[in-house]
Parts: sequence; structure tokens; C-alpha cells
Amino acid sequence: AQSVTQLGSHVSVSEGALVLLRCNYSSSVPPYLFWYVQYPNQGLQLLLKYTSAATLVKGINGFEAEFKKSETSFHLTKPSAHMSDAAEYFCATNRDDKIIFGKGTRLHILP
Amino acid sequence: DGGITQSPKYLFRKEGQNVTLSCEQNLNHDAMYWYRQDPGQGLRLIYYSQIVNDFQKGDIAEGYSVSREKKESFPLTVTSAQKNPTAFYLCASSIRGRQDTQYFGPGTRLTVL
Repeated sequence: AQSVTQLGSHVSVSEGALVLLRCNYSSSVPPYLFWYVQYPNQGLQLLLKYTSAATLVKGINGFEAEFKKSETSFHLTKPSAHMSDAAEYFCATNRDDKIIFGKGTRLHILP
Repeated sequence: DGGITQSPKYLFRKEGQNVTLSCEQNLNHDAMYWYRQDPGQGLRLIYYSQIVNDFQKGDIAEGYSVSREKKESFPLTVTSAQKNPTAFYLCASSIRGRQDTQYFGPGTRLTVL
């Protein structure tokens, strides 16, 4: 069954540094893959989604993710972190008529 | 503005009491979903509904109940049978068949004392 695994429940980066949040998927068929962001005490907001049209997916707020079939990965990156990026990030995939979420990675931005 | 509203933002209940969480959307979406979020657990699906008067159990439906009498509304009742109800509850909606693009409400934080 399709699922995703996020590596690292907490990630800290300095302001201006590269952000890399890791997600690996398991799927026997080409999956849809998503990244969502959640700010404290709020709902989730879709950052970007992969639907097999292009392996490099650009999202909102300067984030992007690359689908790598050989590595079964869909890591989220941003070239330069901003304080406002501090939030929890969820990788997700589709399974039947549902979305399955990873356990989340909390991103901390150090001044 | 179109969107999803959940009320209240914070809810406190005594142990043994049933409590109903509200979720309303004006996006004209057929499908609606309820998730539970616990620290370090991600989101887990409780119930979902693809159309009015129909709903299906998700991965953790025990101790919860729902109804879908109107397209706009999908209330969730946390019953006294739910062993550990304190959590953050999120409602979402989507176009039917497009569960890949879900829109989320702001959530309700339930604390059972």
C-alpha cells in the first residue's frame, strides 16, 4: 500500500541557509505526492503536488520538490530560509480515494 | 470568501460527555473529511464523505460518529467511547474524485478534562 516516510521530526536551519526536508515514498504504482505546510494552530495549506507531469515541481513561497523514482524520494527544498518558514511540513501521497500523510517535520529557523 | 469554517477554535469537555465539532464549507465541494492530529503522529483519517447522506470509516473511526445531511456541513461527534479524545481535529473538503486537492479548515483543539 502506498505510504510516505519523513526523515527527521525536527530540522533546524539558519536564516538564509538551504532548507531540505526529506520524504521517501513506497508505492507499486506511480503515486501522486504532496507537501503541505501547517503554521501553529492552523489548518494545512498545500505547498505543491506531483502528478507525473514534471519531476521538478515548484510550489508557493519559493519551495520546490523533485520526484526521483530511482531513490523513491520527493524531498522539499528552498534555497534560502526565512523566519516565516518556521512551521510543520507534511509529505503525503494518495491511496485509493484518500490521502495518507507522513508524521511531519517541524522546521525551526535560527536567527 | 469561500472556505471552510470550524467552530469552536478551542473546546473543553468533561470526561464521559459527548461533544460535536462543527465543519461548514461554502466551496460547493461534494467530498468532506475529518482528521485527527496528535504530536508526532501526522494526520489520521477518521471519517470521510463523498456525497450527501453517505460516509465511510477512515483509519481510526472507533469512538466517533458523523452525519452528512447537507452538502455544506459534516459534523463530527466525539463520543464517550473514544478512549483518548484530546487532540487537534481538522476538517477538509474537495471536489468529488479529486481527493488530491483538499482544502483544510483552521481546526478545533479539543481538551477533555
